Amino acid sequence: DVKVTQSSRYLVKRTGEKVFLECVQDMDHENMFWYRQDPGLGLRLIYFSYDVKMKEKGDIPEGYSVSREKKERFSLILESASTNQTSMYLCASSFQAGGPTGELFFGEGSRLTVL
Amino acid sequence: QKEVEQDPGPLSVPEGAIVSLNCTYSNSAFQYFMWYRQYSRKGPELLMYTYSSGNKEDGRFTAQVDKSSKYISLFIRDSQPSDSATYLCAMKGATSGTYKYIFGTGTRLKVLA
Repeated sequence: DVKVTQSSRYLVKRTGEKVFLECVQDMDHENMFWYRQDPGLGLRLIYFSYDVKMKEKGDIPEGYSVSREKKERFSLILESASTNQTSMYLCASSFQAGGPTGELFFGEGSRLTVL
Repeated sequence: QKEVEQDPGPLSVPEGAIVSLNCTYSNSAFQYFMWYRQYSRKGPELLMYTYSSGNKEDGRFTAQVDKSSKYISLFIRDSQPSDSATYLCAMKGATSGTYKYIFGTGTRLKVLA
């Protein structure tokens, strides 16, 4: 079974702190994604990556950055956390690079609260 | 206007009922249609995947796509309490040369024993 593991399930941080969310997948997938999920807004794409050291902005990249130094690991970084970044963050991976198919496999999510 | 519209619910039904979940969309470039199921405090998982207009059946689940009306549905027959979850529709199509997923906001379903 494909496994996408998000290291932190629940985090509480203070405004202005730097936050790292880590995601690891074990199926050698090329593509990795970071979404945030908010009530009434659904899943919104923050960043994605088609390959090591490659990254592309999604729909809401402001206030976030990412790092992909190894194929299996994709990190989301909040340089200076703000209260409007309180959300559920979901990491996903898929096999086919840019093609029409490619099921998304999701991690269990990281619920971040910024005080 | 959102590209994908989905009624958020919540939808409560008795065990054994037939459930109908729906999404409408506006972008005719969407070619691939999916339903994801998300249990509480878990990530979404793929439930059904369709490409063309018509019906696709998998056990108690049927996915229906009507491209002419830009409307997709998920039917659950003989619903069970274990079907209680949030159901997200998702669509994919070429946008500016890349394939992009667009998700609905999700419909929360509760099946009462």
